[in-house]
Amino acid sequence: NAGVMQNPRHLVRRRGQEARLRCSPMKGHSHVYWYRQLPEEGLKFMVYLQKENIIDESGMPKERFSAEFPKEGPSILRIQQVVRGDSAAYFCASSPNREVDGYTFGSGTRLTVV
Amino acid sequence: AQKVTQAQTEISVVEKEDVTLDCVYETRDTTYYLFWYKQPPSGELVFLIRRNSFDEQNEISGRYSWNFQKSTSSFNFTITASQVVDSAVYFCARKIQGAQKLVFGQGTRLTINP
Repeated sequence: NAGVMQNPRHLVRRRGQEARLRCSPMKGHSHVYWYRQLPEEGLKFMVYLQKENIIDESGMPKERFSAEFPKEGPSILRIQQVVRGDSAAYFCASSPNREVDGYTFGSGTRLTVV
Repeated sequence: AQKVTQAQTEISVVEKEDVTLDCVYETRDTTYYLFWYKQPPSGELVFLIRRNSFDEQNEISGRYSWNFQKSTSSFNFTITASQVVDSAVYFCARKIQGAQKLVFGQGTRLTINP
């Protein structure tokens, strides 16, 4: 019974490139959440998705960032034209329903922009 | 904003000492949930505990214990007889009922020295 799977674990991108971060939720979970952890900081909520729907994107930067959770396949967090300030750890969590008993987080993707 | 404050940025103790990590939260809600997560050097997030606002009983799990004081809006975490493997960053978080996002504190970096 695999947990939340995120890949890649580490991603290096040059400024201006695109970064795609993938998150496969736990089996049976249809709710996905993305968080960002900047260096030496706590996690900050970015977006909450249910299959094919964005429910809450109040934490997403207005430009360059997008997220999707298609009917089939993993959730994708996409960052276009990355800048150095995007360097962070991005964590995904999943839950089976809206009222979470406690998120199960993935191991995170560490994005480094050079 | 309804914050979660972990005033201790870093704590360093010698193995076998007891250590308490403080967490103070703000909320206007009557129903909410509090969490603690551990982030070891490997970077993943490990769920430790979830507590709802109606349950003020202290909880003990092995060497870990949690003290929830609603009157002071605190949810402190104590490790008894600390071990080197307890070295990690510990995060306290809060969730409002009906919302799906967690609000995290800044984290406390705990170092246990042999």
